[in-house]
Order: sequence, then C-alpha cells, then structure tokens
Amino acid sequence: NAGVMQNPRHLVRRRGQEARLRCSPMKGHSHVYWYRQLPEEGLKFMVYLQKENIIDESGMPKERFSAEFPKEGPSILRIQQVVRGDSAAYFCASSPVDRDGYGYTFGSGTRLTVV
Amino acid sequence: GENVEQHPSTLSVQEGDSAVIKCTYSDSASNYFPWYKQELGKRPQLIIDIRSNVGEKKDQRIAVTLNKTAKHFSLHITETQPEDSAVYFCAASMSNFNKFYFGSGTKLNVKP
Repeated sequence: NAGVMQNPRHLVRRRGQEARLRCSPMKGHSHVYWYRQLPEEGLKFMVYLQKENIIDESGMPKERFSAEFPKEGPSILRIQQVVRGDSAAYFCASSPVDRDGYGYTFGSGTRLTVV
Repeated sequence: GENVEQHPSTLSVQEGDSAVIKCTYSDSASNYFPWYKQELGKRPQLIIDIRSNVGEKKDQRIAVTLNKTAKHFSLHITETQPEDSAVYFCAASMSNFNKFYFGSGTKLNVKP
C-alpha cells in the first residue's frame, strides 16, 4: 500500500513562473490536506479538499494560490507568478472519510525554490 | 483560531539523558495532540499522540503528558540516543475537524 505520493520532490522556478505541485493520496483516501513549511518554521495549514470539493481554504493566500482535487487524478496545488517568498517545502497528507481524530501521514514533500 | 506555542526552540542533551519539550494551546475545544519528528530534508512522521480523555501515554522511550486544565502538553524522551536528533513538532486539533495547528518546532541535538 503506497503512501502519500508527491511530485516533483524538488522544483525550481524563476520569479513570475507558475508552479504545479501534485499529491496522490493513499489508496482509499478521499481527503487531502496541504501544508506549507517555510525554512526553520513549523507547518502551516493551507487547504483541505475532498474529491471535487474544497472544504476549508482558510490558510490559502488570497492571491496566486489555488488547489483542486478532481474526480480522477492527483490533487494539484498551483502557485501562479511565483515570488521568492513562496520558496518552501509543501507537504500533502491524506485521510479516509472518517479520520476519527487520528493524525495523518504526510507525503515526502515538494521543495520549491524560486530564483 | 487555535494557537500552539512550543518551547524550547533548541535543546541539546548528552546521550542517555532525558529530553522534555513543552507545548501550550489556546482553544479548550482542542482534544487531539499528535507529536511529529522531522529529520533534515524529510517529511514529518507521527511518533505519538494523545487524546484529551487521557493524561499520559507511553511508547517505549517516548511519553506524552497532557494537562487539560492548564492547556499544556509535553513530550518526554528518556535514554536519548543520537538517532533521536531531529526537529520535533507538537500539534493540536479537534477530532471532528481535519486541520492541525503546529508548534514552531524544537531542534533536539543528542550529543554522543
């Protein structure tokens, strides 16, 4: 049973370009969460999605960031017109329908570097 | 929203000594508290968790305590080993919600 898969592991983008980060949840999981970790800091919640539905996007910056989790395929976190401050590690996690209050498993993350 | 504070930010101990990391939370509705260990360049990994109906939980050399009244919880690592060196994060959530609030992390260095 493969864990949460994220790709790419490393992504370098020039300022102004777009970044697309992918997350495939564990088999049987229908909920996906994205967190951002700035250098030397803790993880900050960004968005929580179910298939074809955004449940909570209270942690998403108001501009340039968007997320989706289509019926088929991985969840995508999209950052338009990247700036240096977007450089961070982005982690995805997944859970089954009923998390029942347990911690979830993170993917290996995508480390975005904006140059 | 919930606010989780974590102390200390760095902790250096001699191999074999104990290490204690403390966290406080602000929202009395939080009832689930996991701890994650993150090695350099890797993903955070769940090492132990505790629910608000339990005051203490142990797993070999690791234990977590929770004081609901004071709204603080702690991670205790006994007989530390060099492989325990990592950044440790506490977190808080409500079990009927799926969002975790993380502390800022404690960098633990175990000196051989």
